[in-house]
Amino acid sequence: EPEVTQTPSHQVTQMGQEVILRCVPISNHLYFYWYRQILGQKVEFLVSFYNNEISEKSEIFDDQFSVERPDGSNFTLKIRSTKLEDSAMYFCASAPTGPSEAFFGQGTRLTVV
Amino acid sequence: RKEVEQDPGPFNVPEGATVAFNCTYSNSASQSFFWYRQDCRKEPKLLMSVYSSGNEDGRFTAQLNRASQYISLLIRDSKLSDSATYLCVVNVANFGNEKLTFGTGTRLTIIP
Repeated sequence: EPEVTQTPSHQVTQMGQEVILRCVPISNHLYFYWYRQILGQKVEFLVSFYNNEISEKSEIFDDQFSVERPDGSNFTLKIRSTKLEDSAMYFCASAPTGPSEAFFGQGTRLTVV
Repeated sequence: RKEVEQDPGPFNVPEGATVAFNCTYSNSASQSFFWYRQDCRKEPKLLMSVYSSGNEDGRFTAQLNRASQYISLLIRDSKLSDSATYLCVVNVANFGNEKLTFGTGTRLTIIP
């Protein structure tokens, strides 16, 4: 069964550093998403991406964040100047036609120290 | 008011029991509705979609009431493997863009 793959599974970074979280979506999917889940809290939408551009972003997704699909297969989330409160699970998802059919990756646990 | 509201639990029920979860959503423009399951520190996984006509998948039954903006999930003959957090999820469209909005989840523990 095809799956969304995320790397790394766990990333520890120092406050103020930049991190790039990587995702390989399912190959024929057209819609891509990033969500995050702070420990003990709900899953929150960050951004959706379609046709090589952001289609929607949440209030959380400020200038500190950016997404890119650099090579037609990977989908990355870059977090600049990380803060302690960025510590969370970050989930990538992809879908063929929209979020109702989204498949989630196993997540990257980001710990900012 | 929260966009998607669930009782966080925890629900601790004996194996074989029936358990019901409820969820309400605030955005009347919500288009589609789901129950996801999330195991500890894992990704959310789609359990089932929810329709106004009600739908059943084995021991699981989901129901949507659009007028009341209310979603339910019923688990019959619960198994130890049903222990997880159950997430009520709503697909909201905003000027043609869709996104999933998650509830906080209801934690279920099945007791042997």
